[in-house]
Amino acid sequence: AQSVTQPDIHITVSEGASLELRCNYSYGATPYLFWYVQSPGQGLQLLLKYFSGDTLVQGIKGFEAEFKRSQSSFNLRKPSVHWSDAAEYFCAVGAKDDYKLSFGAGTTVTVRA
Amino acid sequence: NAGVTQTPKFRILKIGQSMTLQCTQDMNHNYMYWYRQDPGMGLKLIYYSVGAGITDKGEVPNGYNVSRSTTEDFPLRLELAAPSQTSVYFCATSAPHDMNTEAFFGQGTRLTVV
Repeated sequence: AQSVTQPDIHITVSEGASLELRCNYSYGATPYLFWYVQSPGQGLQLLLKYFSGDTLVQGIKGFEAEFKRSQSSFNLRKPSVHWSDAAEYFCAVGAKDDYKLSFGAGTTVTVRA
Repeated sequence: NAGVTQTPKFRILKIGQSMTLQCTQDMNHNYMYWYRQDPGMGLKLIYYSVGAGITDKGEVPNGYNVSRSTTEDFPLRLELAAPSQTSVYFCATSAPHDMNTEAFFGQGTRLTVV
């Protein structure tokens, strides 16, 4: 069974600074990887996804993530955060023949002025 | 374009009461899921369905039941509410026949059992 670990429960970053959120997965085959964002009181919105091909994927809102098979990682990055990026971020893993997603515990991002 | 609609948005139940959380989608997706979200725990899969008439258990199915009589609807039933079922519940859908699939989420139902 697949699993996801997000090592950072909470990150505080200054507006305009860079952001990196860590995600490590466990899965025997080729994973499908996702990053979702959840604003307070809202559902989850997809930021980006990786299925195959280029290991650096671009998403919405200026986010990108890099798949590193050797490290079983799929870290999310943004070069310059905006106050509106304050939210909870979830990494998730699925597979070609098993579309049930497994989610990490989430990382809460606080943006200070 | 409604997507995935959950009702109600909020509910308070007394211990032992029952209720049904409704989920309906207009995306014509075969797969539907129910997750619960608890602080610091991420989302845990309760039940899922790969099509009308087919349901299966996820990680945390105890205390819940589901049915899938149509493609559009996937209600979640709590028969005897317990405080441990206080959570935020999310319904999601996906179309796994599409290589570029993703899960689409409803806005959630916040349930408190007292």
